[in-house]
Parts: sequence; structure tokens; C-alpha cells
Amino acid sequence: GNSVTQMEGPVTLSEEAFLTINCTYTATGYPSLFWYVQYPGEGLQLLLKATKADDKGSNKGFEATYRKETTSFHLEKGSVQVSDSAVYFCASGGGGYQKVTFGTGTKLQVIP
Amino acid sequence: EPEVTQTPSHQVTQMGQEVILRCVPISNHLYFYWYRQILGQKVEFLVSFYNNEISEKSEIFDDQFSVERPDGSNFTLKIRSTKLEDSAMYFCASSSTNLAGVGELFFGEGSRLTVL
Repeated sequence: GNSVTQMEGPVTLSEEAFLTINCTYTATGYPSLFWYVQYPGEGLQLLLKATKADDKGSNKGFEATYRKETTSFHLEKGSVQVSDSAVYFCASGGGGYQKVTFGTGTKLQVIP
Repeated sequence: EPEVTQTPSHQVTQMGQEVILRCVPISNHLYFYWYRQILGQKVEFLVSFYNNEISEKSEIFDDQFSVERPDGSNFTLKIRSTKLEDSAMYFCASSSTNLAGVGELFFGEGSRLTVL
């Protein structure tokens, strides 16, 4: 099956700082990769996705590139805002499996 | 925009009681899922459901759990005799035929279950 490992949090950054949250995956097939975001008190929302190697997913200033050679899908944003404070989950799915497997989540706190 | 809706948003129950959590998936979706998230912990897969039967379940999904699609719209999770450790946020998700193949799910807002 698929599994995902992401960096531990919490991550605390000042507004306008650069963000990287590391994520690596293991898979027997060719999964799709996702970043989901969970804002305080809310459910899970898809932030971005990539379905094959070298694809770059992007949304709301966040980016992640599907790197098959390093089995990674690191999340980056050039300039974070206070409103980006949330828990970010790396996930893999598809590739022959119907379910999505989540990482442990990384809490991001952005301070003014 | 179509969305997955879940009820109740919060339920408090006594240990040993039965609980039913309800979900209305997006109307043209065919794959349905339940996940749970114990407070502050990872999001865990419970079960997937397709063509009126369970297609995959985790070791968490023991005999105390069951799922059902009683009509054309609802998808329910039943916990027969709740335990303290069942306290969690339960998320329903659905996916269309095309998206299930690449694993993209649409999640509801969650139902928080508190077992006392």
C-alpha cells in the first residue's frame, strides 16, 4: 500500500517568510499526491494535487512538485500570511488504490 | 458548488450507546469513504464503499462499525456500542469514477463524536 511521511510540526513563521513542509512517499504503484489543508474548526480541503511525475500542483500561492527520483512532494510558499495558519496534510492516493492515505499533518502558525 | 454534507456536526453519547453518523455525498459520485481524526492526531482511513458493498476497510473498522447506503442519497456510519476511544472527528468523503482512480476525494465538514 501507499504511505506518506511528513515533517513534524508545529512550524512557526513570521508573516512573509518562506515556507517549506517536507513530504516523502512510498508506493508500490504510481500514486497521485495531494496536499490537504485543515483550518481551525473546519474539515479537510484539497489545496493542490499532482497526478504524475514532474507535475507541479499550485493553488493560493502554494506549490509542490511530484519528484519521482526523490519520492518527494514538498509544499512551498514564497510569502506566508497569517491566514495560512492551519494544519497541512500530505497524502497519496490512486495508483490502483481507491483510498487516500494521509500523513500525520504539520501545524503551521504564522505570526504578524 | 456541490459539496458533501454531514450530520450531526457534534454528538455527545454515553459509552455503550449506538451512534449513527449521516452523510450526503455529492450526487453523481459513486465511491464513498469514512475517515476519522482523533483530536490532534492523524487522519485515519476507516472504510471505502462502492457498488453497495465495502471495497476496503482498515483494522480500526471492526465488528462494532457498519456502513450503509439506505437510499440513493445517504451514506451512514453506525457504531453499535461506543467506547471512549471512539471519540473523534469523523469525516465522510466521496469521489467520482474518474477521480477515484487518481484518489481525489471531496470531504465533508466532519461530525464530532464525544463518548462519555
